[in-house]
Amino acid sequence: DIHLTQSPSSLSASVGDTVTITCQASQDIRNYLNWYQQKPGKAPKLLIYDASDLQAGVPSRFSGSGSGTSFTLTINTLQPEDIATYYCQQYDDVLTFGGGTKVELK
Amino acid sequence: QVQLRESGPGLVKPSQTLSLTCTVSGGSISTTGYYWSWLRQHPVKGLEWIGYIYYTGSTFNNPSLRSRLTISVDTSKNQFSLKLRSVTAADTAVYYCARRMTTGAFDIWGQGTLVTVSA
Repeated sequence: DIHLTQSPSSLSASVGDTVTITCQASQDIRNYLNWYQQKPGKAPKLLIYDASDLQAGVPSRFSGSGSGTSFTLTINTLQPEDIATYYCQQYDDVLTFGGGTKVELK
Repeated sequence: QVQLRESGPGLVKPSQTLSLTCTVSGGSISTTGYYWSWLRQHPVKGLEWIGYIYYTGSTFNNPSLRSRLTISVDTSKNQFSLKLRSVTAADTAVYYCARRMTTGAFDIWGQGTLVTVSA
């Protein structure tokens, strides 16, 4: 299986900050990488698909980039409602998820 | 809009079969291009893809679970189901049904249901 490593595993940031989360794949997955946001007690919510395409209805402060083995999720101007855990997911091979990045308010 | 809802027992005994159903509302399960999926989330192991099914009945399962797994679809009821045999405590998790797009992303999720395996 393809292993996805997210970093950092957690971070603290202030409202208005730019937050960057990375996802490293154990092998080339082209752009077959999606990003999700999950709040406590809720199902994951799709933010970005195919590495950089914004899902309908998701605020434009979320963006994704990367291809091959290295990917980034960026949150511009962090808002209080962005406090959550973020996951990457690949579908180049047997579907797998990263371990998650917990974003907290400083 | 399309909504998904899981249903089934919240407690299953070890060695028995875990059975869940996902009911799709607000749209047809027979819509082309979507795959109806099961995933689970362990407190420690994180998110895990279980498998998915197309409305025609074609299934795609996680190799790690394939030997214990059956996913089926009932288009007349707009439902799809999961059966996981010979469960152990390691199968305790929140189980989600979700819709997978052709892009490989899960765009609509159910609320999730906690299934505990315990005697």
